[in-house]
Amino acid sequence: TQLLEQSPQFLSIQEGENLTVYCNSSSVFSSLQWYRQEPGEGPVLLVTVVTGGEVKKLKRLTFQFGDARKDSSLHITAAQTGDTGLYLCAGAWIQGAQKLVFGQGTRLTINP
Amino acid sequence: KAGVTQTPRYLIKTRGQQVTLSCSPISGHRSVSWYQQTPGQGLQFLFEYFSETQRNKGNFPGRFSGRQFSNSRSEMNVSTLELGDSALYLCASSSGQFKGSEQYFGPGTRLTVT
Repeated sequence: TQLLEQSPQFLSIQEGENLTVYCNSSSVFSSLQWYRQEPGEGPVLLVTVVTGGEVKKLKRLTFQFGDARKDSSLHITAAQTGDTGLYLCAGAWIQGAQKLVFGQGTRLTINP
Repeated sequence: KAGVTQTPRYLIKTRGQQVTLSCSPISGHRSVSWYQQTPGQGLQFLFEYFSETQRNKGNFPGRFSGRQFSNSRSEMNVSTLELGDSALYLCASSSGQFKGSEQYFGPGTRLTVT
């Protein structure tokens, strides 16, 4: 069974701190995406990574794809209250159906 | 471009009833996927339609069905509703042209079964 695991499941930190969220699998991804979801809304795509070792930056957010394309991380620098939300990673495995599989998510709370 | 729209946004039904949810994808997108989101199970894939054909299916009972029309709009139907079907139902559209196409989500339909 192919699983996509995110950690931590919950994270509560103070504004200004840094944090990292992880997304891991035992299988190789063809691509991996990160989404953020706010209460009452659908997930919004943040980034797609495709190449092993790839690093993408979106303002204070840094996304990294593992060299072997089995894992990814999201690092937020100097977190702000507006970063609060549910962060989801989603991947399509090379060996598998075309559908996208989502992790359970990391619920992030940034306290003022 | 207009985003993905879902109707209705909120719905309250009783056990045993059936419900139909609607999704209009982004113009030009041929793939529509449906997901169920609950606090305990997270985001779970129901099915995907591409050019009016079901291309992928998740592990849900046959009470959950869907269809896609020639204009790419999609509907999802749940028959014989159970309390456990209470959830946020999300629709997402994509170009669907390659594996792992980026998904663009609608705001969801919040279904409550009493």
